[in-house]
Amino acid sequence: GNSVTQMEGPVTLSEEAFLTINCTYTATGYPSLFWYVQYPGEGLQLLLKATKADDKGSNKGFEATYRKETTSFHLEKGSVQVSDSAVYFCALASGGSNYKLTFGKGTLLTVNP
Amino acid sequence: NAGVTQTPKFQVLKTGQSMTLQCAQDMNHEYMSWYRQDPGMGLRLIHYSVGAGITDQGEVPNGYNVSRSTTEDFPLRLLSAAPSQTSVYFCASSYRSGLYNEQFFGPGTRLTVL
Repeated sequence: GNSVTQMEGPVTLSEEAFLTINCTYTATGYPSLFWYVQYPGEGLQLLLKATKADDKGSNKGFEATYRKETTSFHLEKGSVQVSDSAVYFCALASGGSNYKLTFGKGTLLTVNP
Repeated sequence: NAGVTQTPKFQVLKTGQSMTLQCAQDMNHEYMSWYRQDPGMGLRLIHYSVGAGITDQGEVPNGYNVSRSTTEDFPLRLLSAAPSQTSVYFCASSYRSGLYNEQFFGPGTRLTVL
């Protein structure tokens, strides 16, 4: 079956530091990959996505590249801000079924001023 | 548009009680789904619907029922609450046409079962 493995948190960084959150996956076929973000007390929001190998998703300074050879979709940001403090979820959908998302366990990021 | 709305925001139940978590969306989305979020477990799919009158089970359906009588509403029923159902519940919706459309999540319902 499908599965997503994220680096365990929590991750604590200082403002303007470089961020990497690792994500690897196991899936049948050719999945689409997503990063969702959950700010405190809120629901999840789509941060970025990539639907085929070598695609790069980007949004709000965050980037992730779909690496089929390493089955990875690592999230990166060059300079984090306090407002980036949130829980980040890596997820995948496969078989053309966008409603069946498989999520990783989430990584809590705290950015200190 | 209000997006995806959920009620209540918080609920405390006693073991054995029943209740319904409400979910509504005003975006005319065909797909709707329910997830539960538990510490260290990520989000797990409970039930989903691809349109009015059509529902199916997700990863963790036991103890929950759903129905979809309208496009807008997708209530989740707990028939006899158990402490293991203490969790945060999220409803989500998306369009059906095309592939991998963004899912829009509601703000969640935090449920405690004593």
